[in-house]
Amino acid sequence: DQQVKQNSPSLSVQEGRISILNCDYTNSMFDYFLWYKKYPAEGPTFLISISSIKDKNEDGRFTVFLNKSAKHLSLHIVPSQPGDSAVYFCAAGNQAGTALIFGKGTTLSVSS
Amino acid sequence: DTEVTQTPKHLVMGMTNKKSLKCEQHMGHRAMYWYKQKAKKPPELMFVYSYEKLSINESVPSRFSPECPNSSLLNLHLHALQPEDSALYLCASSQYTGGGSSPLHFGNGTRLTVT
Repeated sequence: DQQVKQNSPSLSVQEGRISILNCDYTNSMFDYFLWYKKYPAEGPTFLISISSIKDKNEDGRFTVFLNKSAKHLSLHIVPSQPGDSAVYFCAAGNQAGTALIFGKGTTLSVSS
Repeated sequence: DTEVTQTPKHLVMGMTNKKSLKCEQHMGHRAMYWYKQKAKKPPELMFVYSYEKLSINESVPSRFSPECPNSSLLNLHLHALQPEDSALYLCASSQYTGGGSSPLHFGNGTRLTVT
């Protein structure tokens, strides 16, 4: 059973608009959440993370929101740029040292 | 440029061959990982090394044999693979095995094709 779910395989957005990527999780033991970005022929690159003690973390154009009661997190990219076009993976982990569990990814396409 | 270097970038091998994948990092990270990724799937954990000792083996078949010669190097020895083992093999490192609090840094992977 998938513990980390990204239910939208793809998302298309116009340049300058907001991109919202969603992620749901089932395991309440997760206490840390991360987003990775992956371009073709490259490994995933760490983007931003959030601890379960927070509900928001911001880094430049990227903001991650966490709703623990709903077991849901989202990544907001504002404004979206064509260079943001990539596959975005949500991942969840635990401070106790278990390895990260990844979602299936959402392919974001930003058109100019 | 990625700080985790994987070689080779591409590898084609027959089912009777023996080959090795190599991974190197110089960030002083004490945890290193092997992941396998098939097309349109998320990365799947294979092995975790912490302080050069194998700490997690996700029930990987014995035809995959990991080795951590020192804190900077990680190898994956391959023998008698099957065509379904064809995938992108990703190496990653992190400062420690803190799960989510110590982000993984990935290499660009080795694209393996088993014929």
